[in-house]
This record gives sequence, C-alpha cells and structure tokens, in this order.
Amino acid sequence: AQSVTQLDSQVPVFEEAPVELRCNYSSSVSVYLFWYVQYPNQGLQLLLKYLSGSTLVKGINGFEAEFNKSQTSFHLRKPSVHISDTAEYFCAAAPPGDYKLSFGAGTTVTVRA
Amino acid sequence: DTAVSQTPKYLVTQMGNDKSIKCEQNLGHDTMYWYKQDSKKFLKIMFSYNNKELIINETVPNRFSPKSPDKAHLNLHINSLELGDSAVYFCASSQDVLGLEAFFGQGTRLTVV
Repeated sequence: AQSVTQLDSQVPVFEEAPVELRCNYSSSVSVYLFWYVQYPNQGLQLLLKYLSGSTLVKGINGFEAEFNKSQTSFHLRKPSVHISDTAEYFCAAAPPGDYKLSFGAGTTVTVRA
Repeated sequence: DTAVSQTPKYLVTQMGNDKSIKCEQNLGHDTMYWYKQDSKKFLKIMFSYNNKELIINETVPNRFSPKSPDKAHLNLHINSLELGDSAVYFCASSQDVLGLEAFFGQGTRLTVV
C-alpha cells in the first residue's frame, strides 16, 4: 500500500494570502494522487486528482497541484485564500489497479481575516 | 438531494451494545466503501463492495460486518461495541471499482461510553 505524508499538520493563513500544502508519497512505478477537502462537520469532497498527463492539475475552488515524480510530491496550492477555505485537507494515493486509497494524516487550514 | 447519505449522524451507545449505521447512495455507483476516521483525523478504509460483492476487507475486527442488500446500500453493523470503536465512520461510493473519484457521506460520529 502507498504511504502518504502530509508535512504540515496545521497551516494558519491570512485571507487573500497564498497557501501551499505539502504532500509526499512513497515511491512507486506509478501512482494516482488526490486531494480531498473536509469542511467542518461534513464529508470529504474531491478537490482534484492526478492520473496521468500534465503534471499541473487544476481543481475546484481555485486550487491546483503539481505532481513531481523525482521528489515524489504532490503539493496543493491556492494563490489567494478565502475564509471559506478553512477546512481539513487530505492528500491520498493509490497505485493503478489497486482498489483503495491511502490517506495522509490531514492538514488543518485556518484562514483568518 | 443528498448523493451519499448516512444515518444516524450521531450515535452514542454503551460498551457491549450492537449498533448499525446505514448508508445509501443515489448516484447509480457500483462501488461503495466504509472508512473510519479516528480522533487524530486519520482516515482508513475498512471495506469496499462492488455490485454487492466484497472486494476489500481490511484488518478489521470480526465484530464489524458490512451488509449490502443492493447496489445502492451498504450498511455497517457493529457487535459488542468497545471504547476504541469511537470514531467518525464515513460511507463513500464511486462509479468505478478503483475509486478514482469517491463521493463521501457526511459521516456518523460514534461515541462508545
């Protein structure tokens, strides 16, 4: 199974500032990568996914992530955050052909005015 | 219309009791999952069903038994509840068996006292 490490457990950020959430995965021949967001008291929602092709992936709500195979990373970025981006963010990975996602421990993003 | 719905949303029960959590999806998906999120927000897959057949069964105590009466439902029954079972349980579904885009329910917060 894949191992996923989210390097920051908490990220406080001011409104309209940029944010980057770091994610590294254990190396594999190939891998599918995902970012999910969990708003307070809600289920997880898919932000974006990388399956193949372009290493820069754009998702919903202005988020994007870049797949870097040499660094086994899949960092999530947003150039300008809103208060409504306050949430828990999960990175996940799965080897192609595997049925299950392995999740990181999550990063809590708190956006302050 | 909620895509993946779980009931109940909150469940408080005593040790030793038997309880069930129900999940229904109206997305027409073939695959459904149960995930457990512990107090540190670590998310781990427990079970996966594809067309009512069990395809993933992680190392979960036998006290946990999933039941899929049809493709749209995946219920979780837990016998002899223990304090360590306290967690948030998420149901999810996906169109494909690889779970490349899973839709999650809002979660059931189980507290065993």
